[in-house]
Amino acid sequence: DTGVSQDPRHKITKRGQNVTFRCDPISEHNRLYWYRQTLGQGPEFLTYFQNEAQLEKSRLLSDRFSAERPKGSFSTLEIQRTEQGDSAMYLCASSPPRGLGNYGYTFGSGTRLTVV
Amino acid sequence: DQQVKQNSPSLSVQEGRISILNCDYTNSMFDYFLWYKKYPAEGPTFLISISSIKDKNEDGRFTVFLNKSAKHLSLHIVPSQPGDSAVYFCAASEGASGTYKYIFGTGTRLKVLA
Repeated sequence: DTGVSQDPRHKITKRGQNVTFRCDPISEHNRLYWYRQTLGQGPEFLTYFQNEAQLEKSRLLSDRFSAERPKGSFSTLEIQRTEQGDSAMYLCASSPPRGLGNYGYTFGSGTRLTVV
Repeated sequence: DQQVKQNSPSLSVQEGRISILNCDYTNSMFDYFLWYKKYPAEGPTFLISISSIKDKNEDGRFTVFLNKSAKHLSLHIVPSQPGDSAVYFCAASEGASGTYKYIFGTGTRLKVLA
């Protein structure tokens, strides 16, 4: 169990460019979540996958954002035509199938995006 | 509409004393609650959870209390250690929704003074 991996750790991009982030969840976890965190705020939910199906998207996820989880394994989050307001920490989390006890997520270390 | 609120942005406590972090929520449908700890440049780390069928859950130095009627939960850390200095987030979820999507508070920065 290597935990949740996110790549890259940091990304600096010019406004208007497209960026893509990758998340590798814990292998036996079928649920995968993307969150965004800005300074002074808690993580905000963006989207949720169960296996390969994207089951919920926040209204925070504008048309410029798209997430995929092909084959129910790793996931990618793409932001097109980045804006300065997209600058944030993008967090990926995964959790196992529903069961008894702990319902918490395991978070990755995040990808910090800076749009200049 | 902030459904999960942590009204104290920061808290300072002497080493060895009790730290009490508070969290309020507005959605009566929330039935699972978590506390996370976050160090700079790292993702949040799960600390402790509680479901609405309980009013207390303990794990070592960490205890979470849930008061459903007041829609309030608190995290007690006893004794506090300098390594506990971090930002603490509470989070809540409607288990019945099936997604286990958690709504997070804005966090409380705890500083434990040696």
